[in-house]
Amino acid sequence: GESVGLHLPTLSVQEGDNSIINCAYSNSASDYFIWYKQESGKGPQFIIDIRSNMDKRQGQRVTVLLNKTVKHLSLQIAATQPGDSAVYFCAEENQFYFGTGTSLTVIP
Amino acid sequence: DAGVTQSPTHLIKTRGQHVTLRCSPISGHKSVSWYQQVLGQGPQFIFQYYEKEERGRGNFPDRFSARQFPNYSSELNVNALLLGDSALYLCASSLQGARNQPQHFGDGTRLSIL
Repeated sequence: GESVGLHLPTLSVQEGDNSIINCAYSNSASDYFIWYKQESGKGPQFIIDIRSNMDKRQGQRVTVLLNKTVKHLSLQIAATQPGDSAVYFCAEENQFYFGTGTSLTVIP
Repeated sequence: DAGVTQSPTHLIKTRGQHVTLRCSPISGHKSVSWYQQVLGQGPQFIFQYYEKEERGRGNFPDRFSARQFPNYSSELNVNALLLGDSALYLCASSLQGARNQPQHFGDGTRLSIL
């Protein structure tokens, strides 16, 4: 599944499938981007970050892709698990703005 | 190691009252940021402090104020509470400020205004 955060704030995927969450940013001069995961009743938790001199960065089951040409950021989650159900936020360098986020629901 | 701790976890106030929320950052972190999160929305930036000085301020009225103490803990104060101030207030800490590095968030203070 794929979602653009501000326009499609919910995403449902089957357990085991890959998830793609998209995010558009506004400042072409931003040199740092970060993804957070927020589970119900908890504060946001850091997932992965990327600097503007990179196009891709991989973590454990997560990959962040950065396309500076179109000012677009995506978070890919491999083999999505029920524990991945949460709201996902992207933010730029100062982290003054988080947007509305994308709510990911994993269907068992 | 202890994470970011916030107190109280829940609070109920009435309109016109004032409230003080507290935050203890991760040991060694010198920067604290405050966010307001209304249900169904992302965190809205209120303040950032680094080394006891204000480094950033979001678009919030003067009823909102904050400070950071020598031990890097922080307080957020809100005066003349309005119904619209009902929200989850999040505190986040980082080593040197939120710019270009991850922040560590507490689980927030849930403030309800009656």
